[in-house]
Amino acid sequence: DIQMTQSPSSLSASVGDRVTITCRASQDIRNSLSWFQQKPGKAPKSLIYAASIMHSGVPSRFSGSGSGTDFTLTIFSLQPEDFATYYCQQYNNYPPTFGQGTKVEIK
Amino acid sequence: EVQLVESGGDLIKPGRSLRLSCSTYGFTFGDYGMNWLRQAPGKGLEWVGFIRSQEYGGTIEYAASVKGRFTISRDDSENTAYLQMNSLKTEDTATYYCARSKSGGGFSPLDNWGQGTLVTVSS
Repeated sequence: DIQMTQSPSSLSASVGDRVTITCRASQDIRNSLSWFQQKPGKAPKSLIYAASIMHSGVPSRFSGSGSGTDFTLTIFSLQPEDFATYYCQQYNNYPPTFGQGTKVEIK
Repeated sequence: EVQLVESGGDLIKPGRSLRLSCSTYGFTFGDYGMNWLRQAPGKGLEWVGFIRSQEYGGTIEYAASVKGRFTISRDDSENTAYLQMNSLKTEDTATYYCARSKSGGGFSPLDNWGQGTLVTVSS
């Protein structure tokens, strides 16, 4: 199985900050990478697929980049509603696998 | 509006069986692949399995942790996907989500998720 490693596991940031989360795959997954946001007690929400394409309705302050094994999720100007846990997932190979999550907390 | 609604979660004893349903609304169900995923309390997300659309043969993929115990199926006339869980173990305790793939075939990203249904396996 492909291992997905996110860093950091958690971070503290203030409203307005730029936040960057990285995700590394244990082997080349091309651009078959998604990002999800999950708030406590809620279902995950799909943010980005194909490494950089935003799902409909996702605010433009979210941006994804990368290919191969290294990927980044950037939140430009963090908003109060962005405090959540973020997961990356590869879908290039079965089984699809997730990173362990990055919790974004209020500083 | 696309909606996915899971149901069937319950408190159940180890070794027993349970069937979850994922009822869908707002899109042509038969055109899409459907996934089941789960999240143990306080843990991360785990993919459970996927069923392709009939256009892609309706074939199914499973995670190793559930293969041989869980069965995914779909009823396109009812716009519903199912997860039959047999020989349940305590480690199957989780919130179970269904999620739609962007296409009917495999290797496709997830786009819409249901709200989840809780399965607790305990004696």
